[in-house]
Amino acid sequence: DAMVIQNPRYQVTQFGKPVTLSCSQTLNHNVMYWYQQKSSQAPKLLFHYYDKDFNNEADTPDNFQSRRPNTSFCFLDIRSPGLGDAAMYLCATSRGRGQPRDIQYFGAGTRLSVL
Amino acid sequence: GDSVTQMEGPVTLSEEAFLTINCTYTATGYPSLFWYVQYPGEGLQLLLKATKADDKGSNKGFEATYRKETTSFHLEKGSVQVSDSAVYFCALPSGYSTLTFGKGTMLLVSP
Repeated sequence: DAMVIQNPRYQVTQFGKPVTLSCSQTLNHNVMYWYQQKSSQAPKLLFHYYDKDFNNEADTPDNFQSRRPNTSFCFLDIRSPGLGDAAMYLCATSRGRGQPRDIQYFGAGTRLSVL
Repeated sequence: GDSVTQMEGPVTLSEEAFLTINCTYTATGYPSLFWYVQYPGEGLQLLLKATKADDKGSNKGFEATYRKETTSFHLEKGSVQVSDSAVYFCALPSGYSTLTFGKGTMLLVSP
């Protein structure tokens, strides 16, 4: 049973056309993360929510935004996708932060193509 | 800052061969260590973990031992299968929320 669910699995958008990726979780975890993974690279953290508290990584472009309307759902908004934003986007959750027990659980990812 | 170094791939093996993927790390203190696996077109799955020195994590025939003397967490499996073909990431928690990943090692197992 999937615990971190990402929709859609594949998303195609046009250059400059806003796009939203979604993530839901059934784990009731406090923390939700968004990572960007480009081909043959390690995932790169964009931002995370601890409950309703939004935490942006210093080098995340302003083009990327996120919303978390409730515990279960989190959205990644790309306001004006460029060709360089084509990547796999991974959502992850954890119960808390900073403790050995706070393992991150990942969804299957959404592969974004920009035409 | 914290860092993870993995051996470069791809690692190409025949079925039933022995697998080792090396991982060394640099970090303050003694963090937990993880191996994640990413099958083609999928997200990351936690494969195994160790939370303190000398711990051995194991799952699905894979093992890794946390060695603080050598700051290593090498992944091993005695007999690989075609279904083990994937990318393997070594990782450690860094700061308050970040996972620091190695660059990943692709494993290709042929019948």
